[in-house]
Amino acid sequence: DGGITQSPKYLFRKEGQNVTLSCEQNLNHDAMYWYRQDPGQGLRLIYYSQIVNDFQKGDIAEGYSVSREKKESFPLTVTSAQKNPTAFYLCASSIRGGNNYGYTFGSGTRLTVV
Amino acid sequence: KQEVTQIPAALSVPEGENLVLNCSFTDSAIYNLQWFRQDPGKGLTSLLLIQSSQREQTSGRLNASLDKSSGRSTLYIAASQPGDSATYLCAAQGGSEKLVFGKGTKLTVNP
Repeated sequence: DGGITQSPKYLFRKEGQNVTLSCEQNLNHDAMYWYRQDPGQGLRLIYYSQIVNDFQKGDIAEGYSVSREKKESFPLTVTSAQKNPTAFYLCASSIRGGNNYGYTFGSGTRLTVV
Repeated sequence: KQEVTQIPAALSVPEGENLVLNCSFTDSAIYNLQWFRQDPGKGLTSLLLIQSSQREQTSGRLNASLDKSSGRSTLYIAASQPGDSATYLCAAQGGSEKLVFGKGTKLTVNP
């Protein structure tokens, strides 16, 4: 079955560490997105990519980095510069940049700072 | 800048009741509006997508409407069941191709 796979499901980070969240899709979608969700908040866009080797900052990109070397993969690195990284992270993809075709979401990664 | 608001933030109803969830958006220049369901600790499941040229979409007991001119969408759930308990999110997609989400409505259906 086609879909989006996020791993790991749970991730723990020590202060000062960088961690990378994986997102893989086999839907042949062009665009991929990373969102952050905090309790009581809506989803906020971190980064997005519409084609391979190109990506754009979203609303809260500070302290995060991404790469898009393959169409299927869009990993997110949470750097030590992100002061409050504890959150639920969701990856999504869409076809043709997303206009009128909707988004498909992964099952999420919960990141906790210890 | 697009802003999406969902009212109410939480709703509790007895099983079998018909209910309406509301979503409003400030910029009517949208490509589509999408409704999602989120169970606790899980990702988002797409329920319905209404393109800008459409007025409504139906899937089973769910019906979503879109009124671009007034900046409003509603999700109607018929004959609610305990399994419908979840958080429902609406999201508007505009020319930037980014989805802007509301904060969601947490629905509890009591047996």
